[in-house]
Amino acid sequence: ETGVTQTPRHLVMGMTNKKSLKCEQHLGHNAMYWYKQSAKKPLELMFVYNFKEQTENNSVPSRFSPECPNSSHLFLHLHTLQPEDSALYLCASSQDLVGYEQYFGPGTRLTVT
Amino acid sequence: DAKTTQPNSMESNEEEPVHLPCNHSTISGTDYIHWYRQLPSQGPEYVIHGLTSNVNNRMASLAIAEDRKSSTLILHRATLRDAAVYYCILRGGGDSGGSNYKLTFGKGTLLTVNP
Repeated sequence: ETGVTQTPRHLVMGMTNKKSLKCEQHLGHNAMYWYKQSAKKPLELMFVYNFKEQTENNSVPSRFSPECPNSSHLFLHLHTLQPEDSALYLCASSQDLVGYEQYFGPGTRLTVT
Repeated sequence: DAKTTQPNSMESNEEEPVHLPCNHSTISGTDYIHWYRQLPSQGPEYVIHGLTSNVNNRMASLAIAEDRKSSTLILHRATLRDAAVYYCILRGGGDSGGSNYKLTFGKGTLLTVNP
């Protein structure tokens, strides 16, 4: 596979469930990002990792827990979510943090019931 | 973050050129102008970026005003596959307090292409 892949593409979970979103990039990039896109709202940056180290947490609630085991993989662990957390979660990567374009995955459509 | 202003929507006909405007009157000297687009049911896709000079690539052209307070993304021949939301984003240059990786998305311009 090439580019940025995300699994699953769709996820429905209850408020008491625990689930994880996975992102993998096949581009040899060093920086990875999680974004949230709610209905009728602009994309919001959630987390940034550079060389596996978290460099940004954009005031995201602790029920979202990111993990970056290596530069190619990024996870978003979800627990006790709220219905308002239903959104499209997008992963992106870039060569580095400085000035390079970001490549986005297709996203995971999350519905919290 | 410096802000951009774009029309909410625009309409074009297939095979015709499209000019998508963006105003960024508070742009700083080190801000780059980036354009991304998001096709239906997909993640955003990089289109083009520039600093001062006009830029061309296989996807589009970027025309930047001399005072840099506005720019225009030009699609030379729109196709149905160009129907998307187009985002104009200012991104800090090398000396912007370490935040130059941030892409702050606005609402963008929804481009409709008529057959």
